[in-house]
Amino acid sequence: DTTVKQNPRYKLARVGKPVNLICSQTMNHDTMYWYQKKPNQAPKLLLFYYDKILNREADTFEKFQSSRPNNSFCSLYIGSAGLEYSAMYLCASSWTGGAPNTGQLYFGEGSKLTVL
Amino acid sequence: GQQVKQSSPSLTVQEGGILILNCDYENDMFDYFAWYKKYPDNSPTLLISVRSNVDKREDGRFTVFLNKSGKHFSLHITASQPEDTAVYLCAAGMAGYQNFYFGKGTSLTVIP
Repeated sequence: DTTVKQNPRYKLARVGKPVNLICSQTMNHDTMYWYQKKPNQAPKLLLFYYDKILNREADTFEKFQSSRPNNSFCSLYIGSAGLEYSAMYLCASSWTGGAPNTGQLYFGEGSKLTVL
Repeated sequence: GQQVKQSSPSLTVQEGGILILNCDYENDMFDYFAWYKKYPDNSPTLLISVRSNVDKREDGRFTVFLNKSGKHFSLHITASQPEDTAVYLCAAGMAGYQNFYFGKGTSLTVIP
């Protein structure tokens, strides 16, 4: 099973409210990613976990939080949603085995967040 | 700024034709390059990838060419088929850091 699952598929949030998106994979992949995708824009890397180590991109460092309580599960947390957070959020996972990652990224179907 | 750029938002080709998709990147430390394919309402899936120690990799009808000095790589598709119709996303990154950046995508249409 090469499935990455994301919940919820659709999320409606009010400005200023928190948002929590969830991703899970059962492939025992050691690396999990979160990308933000807006229409007509490239998927933007937000952060990734390699095992328990979180790496956040410099330009989104303060906007997004994440946790990975176990190998299979990774969440993306927005403390106070703004209109600019409306986007599709894509989770992906990959196996590196501790070596330089030339493995395939497996993507989930995405969580579409609309902030009103 | 955008780390990976695809200059052509869309491309149309006749069935059986050859096409080239292009991708430029900014960071000369990148050493891993890939093309992903995305059908409507589906997630992207890996099509082909290459490390920087080679300048070409072929897999059936698909070939990746890498020009490191020009910070450019391309995907060549031969004998194009209607089922090649999809969005093609290029990606690049530093394999040792596991960070991968994507382009906006090129929407390819193959006309029967």
